[in-house]
Amino acid sequence: DAKTTQPTSMDCAEGRAANLPCNHSTISGNEYVYWYRQIHSQGPQYIIHGLKNNETNEMASLIITEDRKSSTLILPHATLRDTAVYYCIVNTGANSKLTFGKGITLSVRP
Amino acid sequence: EAQVTQNPRYLITVTGKKLTVTCSQNMNHEYMSWYRQDPGLGLRQIYYSMNVEVTDKGDVPEGYKVSRKEKRNFPLILESPSPNQTSLYFCASSPRVPRRGHYGYTFGSGTRLTVV
Repeated sequence: DAKTTQPTSMDCAEGRAANLPCNHSTISGNEYVYWYRQIHSQGPQYIIHGLKNNETNEMASLIITEDRKSSTLILPHATLRDTAVYYCIVNTGANSKLTFGKGITLSVRP
Repeated sequence: EAQVTQNPRYLITVTGKKLTVTCSQNMNHEYMSWYRQDPGLGLRQIYYSMNVEVTDKGDVPEGYKVSRKEKRNFPLILESPSPNQTSLYFCASSPRVPRRGHYGYTFGSGTRLTVV
C-alpha cells in the first residue's frame, strides 16, 4: 500500500472548520483514500473514503486533488468531541490490511 | 446495533497462563482482523481472516494464534503469554465488498491486557 504523510498535530477553535491534510504521492490507480479517527484508546472509527471524486457524509468531507497525490479531510464545525488522532490510510479495498501510521492529533479548543 | 464485541475489556494475567480474547461481529462481515497498539509503535496487525477457515499472519503474529470456525467469531489465543504481549488489542471486521452502510472497518472497543 502507498505510504501517507501527515503533520504531527494541529488545533482549531470549536465551531470552526478543521482541515486535515494528507500527502500520498505514490498512490496507485486502484487505491482508495480512507480516513479513520481514534478518540483516546477507543477503537478506531471509520470516517470517510474516496477514490478520486470529493465525498461528503454526515461526519466530514473529503477533498482529493486531481492528481490524487494529496487529500484534505474537512470537519465543517469542529466540536470538543472531535479531539482525536486522525489517520489517513491508502488502501485497495475493504479486504486489505489497514496500515496505520502515526496520524495527526487534532485538538479542538473551546 | 451493528458492532464488534470484544471480551474481556481488561485482563491481568501471569506469564505462561493461556488465555483467549473473544471477538464477535453481527454484521455478516467476511473479513476480520486483530491489531495491537503500543505507545510509539501505533497499530500493528497480528492476524487476519478473509473468511471461515481462512486465516493468515499479519505483521506481528509471533506468540499468537487465531481460529475462524464461524463467520461471526474470531478469537485471539495467547498460548503462553509473556510481558512483551502487554498491550491494547483491537478486533476489526469489514465486508469483503463494501455495501450500503458498511464501508471500511468496524473496530471493537479494545482489550487492555497486562501480563505480569
